[in-house]
Amino acid sequence: RKEVEQDPGPFNVPEGATVAFNCTYSNSASQSFFWYRQDCRKEPKLLMSVYSSGNEDGRFTAQLNRASQYISLLIRDSKLSDSATYLCVVNEWQDNYGQNFVFGPGTRLSVLP
Amino acid sequence: DVKVTQSSRYLVKRTGEKVFLECVQDMDHENMFWYRQDPGLGLRLIYFSYDVKMKEKGDIPEGYSVSREKKERFSLILESASTNQTSMYLCASIPGTGTDTQYFGPGTRLTVL
Repeated sequence: RKEVEQDPGPFNVPEGATVAFNCTYSNSASQSFFWYRQDCRKEPKLLMSVYSSGNEDGRFTAQLNRASQYISLLIRDSKLSDSATYLCVVNEWQDNYGQNFVFGPGTRLSVLP
Repeated sequence: DVKVTQSSRYLVKRTGEKVFLECVQDMDHENMFWYRQDPGLGLRLIYFSYDVKMKEKGDIPEGYSVSREKKERFSLILESASTNQTSMYLCASIPGTGTDTQYFGPGTRLTVL
Protein backbone atom coordinates (compact mmCIF):
# COMPACT_ATOMS: atom_id res chain seq x y z
CA ARG A 1 0.00 0.00 0.00
CA LYS A 2 1.30 3.43 -0.91
CA GLU A 3 2.08 5.70 2.00
CA VAL A 4 0.37 8.74 0.52
CA GLU A 5 -2.50 8.29 -1.91
CA GLN A 6 -4.34 10.86 -3.98
CA ASP A 7 -7.27 10.97 -6.36
CA PRO A 8 -5.92 9.67 -9.66
CA GLY A 9 -7.39 12.44 -11.81
CA PRO A 10 -7.11 14.11 -14.20
CA PHE A 11 -9.74 16.62 -13.24
CA ASN A 12 -11.08 18.67 -16.15
CA VAL A 13 -13.25 21.51 -14.92
CA PRO A 14 -14.65 24.72 -16.44
CA GLU A 15 -13.47 28.11 -15.29
CA GLY A 16 -15.26 29.22 -12.17
CA ALA A 17 -15.90 25.70 -10.92
CA THR A 18 -15.12 24.48 -7.43
CA VAL A 19 -12.89 21.44 -7.28
CA ALA A 20 -11.78 19.30 -4.34
CA PHE A 21 -8.75 17.03 -4.06
CA ASN A 22 -8.39 14.29 -1.49
CA CYS A 23 -5.34 12.69 0.01
CA THR A 24 -4.89 9.90 2.56
CA TYR A 25 -1.73 8.90 4.41
CA SER A 26 -0.83 5.70 6.20
CA ASN A 27 1.60 6.79 8.92
CA SER A 28 -0.34 7.98 11.94
CA ALA A 29 2.84 9.51 13.38
CA SER A 30 3.08 12.01 10.54
CA GLN A 31 3.79 15.48 11.81
CA SER A 32 3.11 18.04 9.14
CA PHE A 33 1.26 18.23 5.88
CA PHE A 34 1.44 20.27 2.72
CA TRP A 35 0.01 20.85 -0.70
CA TYR A 36 2.53 21.60 -3.44
CA ARG A 37 1.77 22.72 -6.94
CA GLN A 38 3.80 21.54 -9.93
CA ASP A 39 3.46 23.06 -13.38
CA CYS A 40 4.34 21.02 -16.44
CA ARG A 41 8.12 20.48 -16.68
CA LYS A 42 8.73 22.65 -13.62
CA GLU A 43 9.72 21.96 -10.04
CA PRO A 44 7.17 21.60 -7.21
CA LYS A 45 6.43 24.74 -5.25
CA LEU A 46 4.73 25.04 -1.90
CA LEU A 47 1.09 26.03 -2.25
CA MET A 48 0.14 25.87 1.41
CA SER A 49 0.80 24.07 4.64
CA VAL A 50 -2.15 22.24 6.19
CA TYR A 51 -3.01 22.82 9.84
CA SER A 52 -5.27 20.82 12.12
CA SER A 53 -7.70 23.71 12.42
CA GLY A 54 -7.93 24.05 8.65
CA ASN A 55 -6.60 27.05 6.79
CA GLU A 56 -7.56 29.26 3.92
CA ASP A 57 -5.54 31.31 1.48
CA GLY A 58 -7.74 33.24 -0.91
CA ARG A 59 -9.56 30.74 -3.10
CA PHE A 60 -7.74 27.77 -1.57
CA THR A 61 -8.84 25.93 1.56
CA ALA A 62 -6.97 23.03 3.13
CA GLN A 63 -8.35 20.67 5.75
CA LEU A 64 -6.71 17.98 7.87
CA ASN A 65 -8.45 15.14 9.67
CA ARG A 66 -5.87 13.34 11.78
CA ALA A 67 -8.30 10.71 13.03
CA SER A 68 -9.10 9.64 9.48
CA GLN A 69 -5.60 10.42 8.18
CA TYR A 70 -7.11 12.51 5.44
CA ILE A 71 -6.15 15.82 3.86
CA SER A 72 -8.16 17.86 1.39
CA LEU A 73 -7.67 20.88 -0.85
CA LEU A 74 -10.59 22.91 -2.13
CA ILE A 75 -10.19 25.40 -4.96
CA ARG A 76 -13.04 27.83 -5.48
CA ASP A 77 -13.72 29.91 -8.59
CA SER A 78 -11.02 28.06 -10.49
CA LYS A 79 -8.89 29.99 -12.99
CA LEU A 80 -7.09 28.84 -16.12
CA SER A 81 -3.84 29.50 -14.25
CA ASP A 82 -4.78 26.88 -11.65
CA SER A 83 -4.07 24.15 -14.21
CA ALA A 84 -1.24 22.11 -12.73
CA THR A 85 -0.52 18.94 -10.80
CA TYR A 86 -1.24 19.13 -7.08
CA LEU A 87 0.99 17.08 -4.80
CA CYS A 88 0.04 16.03 -1.31
CA VAL A 89 3.10 15.84 0.94
CA VAL A 90 3.42 14.37 4.42
CA ASN A 91 6.37 14.95 6.72
CA GLU A 92 7.23 12.01 8.97
CA TRP A 93 9.79 12.47 11.71
CA GLN A 94 12.45 9.82 11.96
CA ASP A 95 14.24 9.22 15.26
CA ASN A 96 17.75 9.31 13.91
CA TYR A 97 17.79 12.08 11.39
CA GLY A 98 14.61 14.10 11.57
CA GLN A 99 12.40 14.66 8.63
CA ASN A 100 11.20 12.37 5.90
CA PHE A 101 8.98 13.90 3.24
CA VAL A 102 6.62 11.50 1.52
CA PHE A 103 4.97 12.63 -1.69
CA GLY A 104 1.72 11.48 -3.18
CA PRO A 105 1.65 10.74 -6.92
CA GLY A 106 -0.18 13.98 -7.65
CA THR A 107 -3.53 14.89 -9.16
CA ARG A 108 -3.60 16.76 -12.42
CA LEU A 109 -6.06 19.61 -12.84
CA SER A 110 -7.01 21.18 -16.15
CA VAL A 111 -9.23 24.25 -16.01
CA LEU A 112 -10.96 24.74 -19.33
CA PRO A 113 -12.18 28.05 -20.82
CA ASP B 1 14.75 34.37 -2.00
CA VAL B 2 16.19 30.93 -1.59
CA LYS B 3 17.79 29.66 -4.73
CA VAL B 4 18.46 26.03 -5.52
CA THR B 5 20.24 25.44 -8.79
CA GLN B 6 21.00 22.26 -10.68
CA SER B 7 23.85 21.91 -13.12
CA SER B 8 21.83 20.88 -16.17
CA ARG B 9 18.20 21.09 -17.26
CA TYR B 10 18.55 18.35 -19.86
CA LEU B 11 21.14 15.61 -20.11
CA VAL B 12 21.55 12.69 -22.50
CA LYS B 13 23.97 9.91 -21.60
CA ARG B 14 24.76 6.41 -22.82
CA THR B 15 24.35 3.20 -20.89
CA GLY B 16 27.37 2.54 -18.70
CA GLU B 17 28.52 6.14 -18.47
CA LYS B 18 29.24 7.74 -15.12
CA VAL B 19 26.89 10.67 -14.56
CA PHE B 20 27.21 13.56 -12.12
CA LEU B 21 24.25 15.72 -11.19
CA GLU B 22 25.11 18.79 -9.16
CA CYS B 23 22.88 20.78 -6.84
CA VAL B 24 23.79 24.04 -5.13
CA GLN B 25 21.77 26.08 -2.64
CA ASP B 26 22.70 29.58 -1.55
CA MET B 27 20.98 29.89 1.82
CA ASP B 28 23.16 27.84 4.15
CA HIS B 29 20.56 25.08 4.41
CA GLU B 30 21.39 22.06 6.52
CA ASN B 31 19.36 19.38 4.78
CA MET B 32 19.48 18.49 1.12
CA PHE B 33 17.61 15.83 -0.83
CA TRP B 34 17.70 14.07 -4.17
CA TYR B 35 14.48 12.73 -5.67
CA ARG B 36 13.51 11.20 -8.95
CA GLN B 37 10.08 11.75 -10.44
CA ASP B 38 8.39 9.34 -12.80
CA PRO B 39 4.84 9.41 -14.19
CA GLY B 40 2.34 7.77 -11.86
CA LEU B 41 4.95 7.22 -9.15
CA GLY B 42 5.41 10.72 -7.79
CA LEU B 43 8.64 11.86 -6.20
CA ARG B 44 10.75 9.12 -4.67
CA LEU B 45 13.62 9.87 -2.34
CA ILE B 46 17.02 8.59 -3.47
CA TYR B 47 19.37 10.02 -0.84
CA PHE B 48 19.44 12.88 1.59
CA SER B 49 22.02 14.64 3.70
CA TYR B 50 21.57 16.49 6.98
CA ASP B 51 25.11 17.78 7.28
CA VAL B 52 28.39 18.01 5.44
CA LYS B 53 29.83 14.56 4.75
CA MET B 54 26.66 12.95 6.14
CA LYS B 55 24.32 10.97 3.94
CA GLU B 56 21.36 8.69 4.40
CA LYS B 57 19.71 6.31 1.97
CA GLY B 58 16.21 7.09 0.88
CA ASP B 59 13.69 4.71 -0.60
CA ILE B 60 15.49 3.89 -3.85
CA PRO B 61 19.28 4.29 -3.42
CA GLU B 62 20.31 1.36 -5.61
CA GLY B 63 22.45 2.43 -8.52
CA TYR B 64 23.17 5.86 -7.02
CA SER B 65 25.67 7.44 -4.68
CA VAL B 66 26.01 10.96 -3.31
CA SER B 67 28.64 13.38 -2.11
CA ARG B 68 28.38 16.35 0.20
CA GLU B 69 31.82 17.86 0.69
CA LYS B 70 30.53 21.39 1.20
CA LYS B 71 27.34 22.54 2.85
CA GLU B 72 25.98 24.26 -0.23
CA ARG B 73 26.60 21.44 -2.69
CA PHE B 74 25.02 17.99 -2.92
CA SER B 75 25.98 15.77 -5.82
CA LEU B 76 24.18 12.72 -7.14
CA ILE B 77 26.30 10.14 -8.95
CA LEU B 78 25.17 7.39 -11.25
CA GLU B 79 28.16 5.06 -11.29
CA SER B 80 27.05 3.22 -14.44
CA ALA B 81 23.95 4.71 -16.00
CA SER B 82 21.20 2.38 -17.13
CA THR B 83 18.10 3.00 -19.21
CA ASN B 84 15.83 2.57 -16.18
CA GLN B 85 17.48 5.63 -14.66
CA THR B 86 15.93 7.82 -17.33
CA SER B 87 13.89 10.22 -15.24
CA MET B 88 13.45 13.73 -13.92
CA TYR B 89 15.84 14.36 -11.01
CA LEU B 90 14.94 17.00 -8.46
CA CYS B 91 17.11 18.42 -5.74
CA ALA B 92 15.61 20.10 -2.67
CA SER B 93 16.82 21.74 0.52
CA ILE B 94 15.42 22.89 3.84
CA PRO B 95 17.07 25.06 6.52
CA GLY B 96 17.11 22.33 9.18
CA THR B 97 14.99 20.58 11.75
CA GLY B 98 12.09 22.63 12.98
CA THR B 99 11.39 24.10 9.58
CA ASP B 100 9.89 22.01 6.88
CA THR B 101 9.25 23.90 3.69
CA GLN B 102 11.28 22.31 0.92
CA TYR B 103 12.79 24.44 -1.80
CA PHE B 104 13.30 22.65 -5.09
CA GLY B 105 15.74 23.15 -7.91
CA PRO B 106 14.43 23.32 -11.49
CA GLY B 107 15.13 19.64 -12.13
CA THR B 108 17.36 17.73 -14.53
CA ARG B 109 15.71 15.59 -17.15
CA LEU B 110 18.12 12.72 -17.74
CA THR B 111 17.80 10.39 -20.70
CA VAL B 112 19.96 7.28 -20.79
CA LEU B 113 20.21 5.68 -24.22
